[in-house]
Amino acid sequence: AQTVTQSQPEMSVQEAETVTLSCTYDTSESDYYLFWYKQPPSRQMILVIRQEAYKQQNATENRFSVNFQKAAKSFSLKISDSQLGDAAMYFCAYCQGGSEKLVFGKGTKLTVNP
Amino acid sequence: DGGITQSPKYLFRKEGQNVTLSCEQNLNHDAMYWYRQDPGQGLRLIYYSQIVNDFQKGDIAEGYSVSREKKESFPLTVTSAQKNPTAFYLCASSPRTSGSDEQFFGPGTRLTVL
Repeated sequence: AQTVTQSQPEMSVQEAETVTLSCTYDTSESDYYLFWYKQPPSRQMILVIRQEAYKQQNATENRFSVNFQKAAKSFSLKISDSQLGDAAMYFCAYCQGGSEKLVFGKGTKLTVNP
Repeated sequence: DGGITQSPKYLFRKEGQNVTLSCEQNLNHDAMYWYRQDPGQGLRLIYYSQIVNDFQKGDIAEGYSVSREKKESFPLTVTSAQKNPTAFYLCASSPRTSGSDEQFFGPGTRLTVL
């Protein structure tokens, strides 16, 4: 079974600085998708960024970018110019191609200090 | 506005009682999902449905039941057989049945067993 590991239960960053959240996954499949979801204190889950495994180029969405290392099965999230509104739980998730199931990591709680 | 609604926001249950959590979407999405979130844990899939009148068990289906009589509705019943039902429950939907699509989440229901 596929597993997703987020090794940092908590992280903190100063406002305007850059922070990287780690995620590793275990799979023998070649067709899969990876996601980062944000869960702020309101507990509403919001998609931050999505990466297709067949794409070599790292996905970017404004201040959010990923470092996708397929051979190492690593999918880290970089947040640049951190803002107070970035404070949240961040979940890494994996989905095998053709499957309906998302497998989530346990999350990283990000604190942004003013 | 299109979106996913869950009700109630907070639910209290006495031991031995069944309770039903509501999930409605007006996004015209085919697939719908139920997740359970416990403190310090990621989301775990309870049930999912790709089409009306059809649904499949997820990883932790024991003690839960669902129905999908309408495309826009996917209620979850927590039965008395669920040993530890106190948790945060999230409903999600996606446009297609392939998990490679983004899943859109509702605001969640917090269930507490008294």
